[in-house]
Amino acid sequence: DVKVTQSSRYLVKRTGEKVFLECVQDMDHENMFWYRQDPGLGLRLIYFSYDVKMKEKGDIPEGYSVSREKKERFSLILESASTNQTSMYLCASSLEPEVSGETQYFGPGTRLLVL
Amino acid sequence: EDKVVQSPLSLVVHEGDTVTLNCSYEVTNFRSLLWYKQEKKAPTFLFMLTSSGIEKKSGRLSSILDKKELFSILNITATQTGDSAIYLCAVQHSGGGSNYKLTFGKGTLLTVNP
Repeated sequence: DVKVTQSSRYLVKRTGEKVFLECVQDMDHENMFWYRQDPGLGLRLIYFSYDVKMKEKGDIPEGYSVSREKKERFSLILESASTNQTSMYLCASSLEPEVSGETQYFGPGTRLLVL
Repeated sequence: EDKVVQSPLSLVVHEGDTVTLNCSYEVTNFRSLLWYKQEKKAPTFLFMLTSSGIEKKSGRLSSILDKKELFSILNITATQTGDSAIYLCAVQHSGGGSNYKLTFGKGTLLTVNP
């Protein structure tokens, strides 16, 4: 079974703090993704990575950065957290499309509250 | 701009009813359309559709894609309270080069009452 884990289920931070959200997958997947999910807006892609040290901006990258130093780990960084970054953050991973049939496997999510 | 639009946004039915959820899309370089079910936690994969007119089935759930009219439907027959969830539609398309990304719709919140 594919397993995608996220470092925290719930996180409370203050405005201006630097926040790290960690995601680890144990299936040797090439592709990893960070989404945020907000009521009425659905899932929106923040960043994705198709290889170690590679990253691409998604639809809403502003205010975020990412790091992929190892294949199994993809970190989302909020350099200076703001209240509008309060959200549910979901990490996902997938194999190359030709192998997996494009299925993305999701982690359990991190609910972040920025005060 | 890539768009995936789901309708309705929410739906309340009684157990035993049949429901149809809709997903229309406009994306560049379409590759496939996926349906996910999200209960309290992470979305779980239901179907992937790449060809028009071929129905995919899993128990009481089925889905079909129309690539000419750019939409898909997800049918659930004989609904049960355990079907209550957010149903997400996502389209995979080229994000540039050989990279593929998903664009999600806002989801349909289905509530099945006993």
